[in-house]
Amino acid sequence: GAVVSQHPSWVICKSGTSVKIECRSLDFQATTMFWYRQFPKQSLMLMATSNEGSKATYEQGVEKDKFLINHASLTLSTLTVTSAHPEDSSFYICSAKWGAQETQYFGPGTRLLVL
Amino acid sequence: QKEVEQDPGPLSVPEGAIVSLNCTYSNSAFQYFMWYRQYSRKGPELLMYTYSSGNKEDGRFTAQVDKSSKYISLFIRDSQPSDSATYLCAGYNFNKFYFGSGTKLNVKP
Repeated sequence: GAVVSQHPSWVICKSGTSVKIECRSLDFQATTMFWYRQFPKQSLMLMATSNEGSKATYEQGVEKDKFLINHASLTLSTLTVTSAHPEDSSFYICSAKWGAQETQYFGPGTRLLVL
Repeated sequence: QKEVEQDPGPLSVPEGAIVSLNCTYSNSAFQYFMWYRQYSRKGPELLMYTYSSGNKEDGRFTAQVDKSSKYISLFIRDSQPSDSATYLCAGYNFNKFYFGSGTKLNVKP
């Protein structure tokens, strides 16, 4: 149980375009979803926390207008990277948890390359 | 100071060795602690989580928390080449997770 999927697994786009990444909880209702960014050989950097039906809470230094997060249902959250630039190239990972559970379950990640 | 500190390694051991991975943390409010394993280009996978101080064992893995010294450990017995990965420790408080930088482990056949 506790399976989280992400789509796409990798994407290449041109600078200036927008990219949407989907995160789905397949066998549980995710009341909270987290979006992380990970650079090569570095740890996870939390970008934002989203609770179903409410606005995401962004970490300091993360531009909310650039990284749009929507958590419209208990099984789906999306991250849209708007007007992507090469420096946005990274590994984006979502995770999900339900209720007051203390553990989160990660998706497989999406590798974004902006040319 | 980061909330959770972890030696990045890499740590290289022969197959069958006992591996000890460690983290320290600064936030005394952490109640839960987790260990995740991350293979290259994959999302982290939850290995174990513990509440408060004490030990928890699951197969070849033992997680240990010492809240008095703010020290958390993961022991791997009879290590296998398939255990080669990056191991991330994390503390949890108020719906937020704080990760260490990860320790890269290489188990040589």
